[in-house]
Amino acid sequence: AQSVTQLDSQVPVFEEAPVELRCNYSSSVSVYLFWYVQYPNQGLQLLLKYLSGSTLVESINGFEAEFNKSQTSFHLRKPSVHISDTAEYFCAVSASGGYQKVTFGIGTKLQVIP
Amino acid sequence: KAGVTQTPRYLIKTRGQQVTLSCSPISGHRSVSWYQQTPGQGLQFLFEYFSETQRNKGNFPGRFSGRQFSNSRSEMNVSTLELGDSALYLCASSLEAGHTGELFFGEGSRLTVL
Repeated sequence: AQSVTQLDSQVPVFEEAPVELRCNYSSSVSVYLFWYVQYPNQGLQLLLKYLSGSTLVESINGFEAEFNKSQTSFHLRKPSVHISDTAEYFCAVSASGGYQKVTFGIGTKLQVIP
Repeated sequence: KAGVTQTPRYLIKTRGQQVTLSCSPISGHRSVSWYQQTPGQGLQFLFEYFSETQRNKGNFPGRFSGRQFSNSRSEMNVSTLELGDSALYLCASSLEAGHTGELFFGEGSRLTVL
């Protein structure tokens, strides 16, 4: 079975400062990794995903995440945050191949301070 | 293209009652997953259906059940409601059940049990 650990439940950061949201996973098989974002009173939206290939993946709004197999991590980073980035971010994992469920972490609330 | 639609959006029940929640996936999507979201617990996987068959099931008691119809619409039912069942129930659809792709979430049904 797979599991995800998001080490920080809340991360306050000033506008235009960099941010890193940490995610570690556990799995005995190859995995797919995802970051989802949830804005207030909305469902989750996919931010970015790692399936294979380049270990650095990027989103259209400036976020990036790097798959590190040796450290079993998939941390999310952004060099300069904006007020509109205030949301809850969920890291997720599924085993590759077959009919596998997606397991989510408990989420990290990013609060951007003006 | 219409998104994932969940009904009702909000509902209040009392202990011992039962509830049925509905999810209409994006047109063409055949996989529907259900998650329970609570503060501090993140998203807990309930079950996944693909072409009317339950493919995966989470660790919830038998009071939680679901089904999928031939048009891919899905319902979940919770019987003998308990206070701890108060949560946001999220439905997500995807094209296939292998989860190499993206999950598309609805806005959720917020259940309050009094």
